[in-house]
Amino acid sequence: EAAVTQSPRNKVTVTGGNVTLSCRQTNSHNYMYWYRQDTGHGLRLIHYSYGAGNLQIGDVPDGYKATRTTQEDFFLLLELASPSQTSLYFCASRDNTGQLYFGEGSKLTVL
Amino acid sequence: QQKVQQSPESLIVPEGGMASLNCTSSDRNVDYFWWYRQHSGKSPKMLMSIFSNGEKEEGRFTVHLNKASLHTSLHIRDSQPSDSALYLCAASRNTGNYKYVFGAGTRLKVIA
Repeated sequence: EAAVTQSPRNKVTVTGGNVTLSCRQTNSHNYMYWYRQDTGHGLRLIHYSYGAGNLQIGDVPDGYKATRTTQEDFFLLLELASPSQTSLYFCASRDNTGQLYFGEGSKLTVL
Repeated sequence: QQKVQQSPESLIVPEGGMASLNCTSSDRNVDYFWWYRQHSGKSPKMLMSIFSNGEKEEGRFTVHLNKASLHTSLHIRDSQPSDSALYLCAASRNTGNYKYVFGAGTRLKVIA
């Protein structure tokens, strides 16, 4: 099964802090995604990418930047974290059949 | 903005019973529907997908799709306590922009 690894798994920061969430996939998938999960909202798409250097805007992009540095690595950046960004963040990659493979999640708390 | 609506929000069924979950997309351009299952504290894992009108069965799980109404349903027969989870429906397009939009999910609890 495709492996998607996220780090850190847990992060606590303060309002205004700078946070980087990392995601690596080792299956040479083209598409990678960042979602946030909040109770009552399911998974909401923040940003996605179809290859190194590419970035597509998702449905809830405000306050987030993302960068795809290589085929394997996709980063989510919060430059001025706010309490509303407290959430569980999932990274995923897409295989050629369309199936998404999710990482284990990164829980972010902004105080 | 494309939306995916799921119903009911939560569902309780007895062990051995049938669970029926619904999902509708508001985007007429979507072609594919996906069902993911997420156990508590875990990441979502794909359960089933459907692209064509009609029905698809895999073991105790059956998925229906009506492309005209953009409605899909997931039916779980002989429900087990291990089926207790959050079920997420996603819709996507077949070509070009592979964007996946998820619904808010249905939380299923199977009681023994």
